Order: sequence, then structure tokens, then C-alpha cells
Amino acid sequence: DAGITQSPRHKVTETGTPVTLRCHQTENHRYMYWYRQDPGHGLRLIHYSYGVKDTDKGEVSDGYSVSRSKTEDFLLTLESATSSQTSVYFCASGASSYEQYFGPGTRLTVT
Amino acid sequence: RKEVEQDPGPFNVPEGATVAFNCTYSNSASQSFFWYRQDCRKEPKLLMSVYSSGNEDGRFTAQLNRASQYISLLIRDSKLSDSATYLCVVNIRNQGGKLIFGQGTELSVKP
Repeated sequence: DAGITQSPRHKVTETGTPVTLRCHQTENHRYMYWYRQDPGHGLRLIHYSYGVKDTDKGEVSDGYSVSRSKTEDFLLTLESATSSQTSVYFCASGASSYEQYFGPGTRLTVT
Repeated sequence: RKEVEQDPGPFNVPEGATVAFNCTYSNSASQSFFWYRQDCRKEPKLLMSVYSSGNEDGRFTAQLNRASQYISLLIRDSKLSDSATYLCVVNIRNQGGKLIFGQGTELSVKP
């Protein structure tokens, strides 16, 4: 399995607070992705990165920002958390654009 | 209309049964196709890619019909350990590494 970790694994936060989720990979993969998974919607892409400092929006990017200052780290920030952002967040990485290995997920609850 | 649609499931089958999952995609620019497996409360993992000529991996057979924009996964001799959600995934030409996920079909194999 690819070495992808996410932190924290679980978080409960209050509405209006900023939250940062971290994804770390040890595979030197070029591509990294952030998804959220919700019942009835499946996995939806939030943002992705195709290199250090190169990022682009996915289909559900509103309210989220990302940064990638190093190959191995991809950060997802919820600028002001809302209850609609309660979800399971998965990070993924891959050496090419066609393979993605997923991290274990972060369960975020916004109260 | 969702870009990738799957049988909603759940499929409840006895051990040893053969089960087939179907998936349709709406974007004719779809160029790469995959089946992922996701166990309960775990991350998705690549099960197999799907090639135009069809391909087999042990008890699993994947088929692609580009004309009908249809993908299938056949599991023979089902095992208890096959119980999971199966995700149909497509990659769209000229959209880089973005993968579009179906909502998934849940399979439960019973003794």
C-alpha cells in the first residue's frame, strides 16, 4: 500500500472556526487530491494538485482552500466551517493522473 | 443526471453465487475506467482497471462497451470477504487526473 496518512483522523469543531486537514505521502507522487464522501453523493473532488504550488478546483471547492508547498504534503483548509461540511474527507495521491491511492480518511463533525 | 450511475443495491447473495454490477457513464469523452472497492468505514482501493477488450483477474471480470457507455463487473464464486461497496470510476479526456466516482453498489455475501 502507498504510504499516505491523514491527520487528524477525527475532529469535532464548531461552526465558524477554521479547520486544516493534513495529507502526507511518502511515495514522491506528483498528483494529490482531496475528496469528501457523503451518503447519496459518493466521492466528490474538492481540490487537486499536479505539482508543488500547482492546484486546481474540483466540483465542490466553495468554502475550501488548499496548499502544497512540498511534494509530500497537501493541506485542506475550511476557512469558516459550516454544518454542511460535516463529512468524511479522503486524500489521495498518485504518480500518474490515472492511479490514485487513498488515505484512511478524516471524519469531521461541525456542530 | 449523474455522470456515472450504478445499480443502487444492496445486493445480498449466498456464498458461491455469481453477481454482476452494472455502470453507465454519460460523458463520451470518458477514456479510462476502473472498479474500486470500499470496505465499510475504510478508504477506497483500486480493484481493477477496465480495458476495451475486457479483462479478468481471478474471480473478477470487467467488461466495457464504449458504444453503449456501459461498464460491468462480474464476480464468480462469491466469498464472504467480497462483501463491500464497489465503485465505478471514469476518467475524462482532457480533464487531467480527475476521476468521477459513481455512488457505489453495496454487496453483502451471506454464509
